Amino acid sequence: QSALTQPASVSGSPGQSITISCTGSNSDLGTYNYVSWYQQHPGKAPQLMIFDVTTRPSGVSDRFSGSKSGNTASLTISGLQAEDEADYYCCSYTTSATLVFGGGTKVTVL
Amino acid sequence: QPQLQESGSGLVKPSQTLSLTCAVSGDSVSSDGYSWSWIRQPPGKGLEWIGYIYHGGNIYYNPSLKSRVTISLDKSQNQFSLKVNSVTAADTAMYYCAREGLGYGYLDYWGQGILVTVSS
Repeated sequence: QSALTQPASVSGSPGQSITISCTGSNSDLGTYNYVSWYQQHPGKAPQLMIFDVTTRPSGVSDRFSGSKSGNTASLTISGLQAEDEADYYCCSYTTSATLVFGGGTKVTVL
Repeated sequence: QPQLQESGSGLVKPSQTLSLTCAVSGDSVSSDGYSWSWIRQPPGKGLEWIGYIYHGGNIYYNPSLKSRVTISLDKSQNQFSLKVNSVTAADTAMYYCAREGLGYGYLDYWGQGILVTVSS
């Protein structure tokens, strides 16, 4: 299985909105709405931010939102804050009942 | 809420077997609908899903690692384990265990991770 494709880096100023894309194939994103997103700060374990494309777990800020169109999923962070600076990973369930991650995107708050 | 804690050897010699255990508290590995995953992250690189095991015993592995990996469940100890055979330096990574939530494809609780180095 091939890793999902994410941009290596995305940046924005405080208060702005940024969007991270995640492109897969008909073997994963294109077939299922089982896309999740994780935030990882340096030296920390990843934290679930979005699952089932659009659902936020309890406790996650509503500044984080997800969407999907075809084989591409997106994570949007609105009202960017300094604490949002981290690595972000998308993940999808696949037609082989496995999971596949994206390569990760480093978000920088300017 | 569940807590997961990895343990095992932090240093493994090349060609030997890496063995890790994930102890679960605040939940049962026998709970219906959940699966228990292993994920790894080489230093400075991205996440790689290794595999998961369902409470009923079904196991799924990353095809790229399937020939060298074994995941098992110990319901009596409320823990699950990972073994990776014939390790090389490329297996050096932070290894995380995690719970897959109800539904499919998302990991809602993670352990803190354990660094495993493959070196002679």
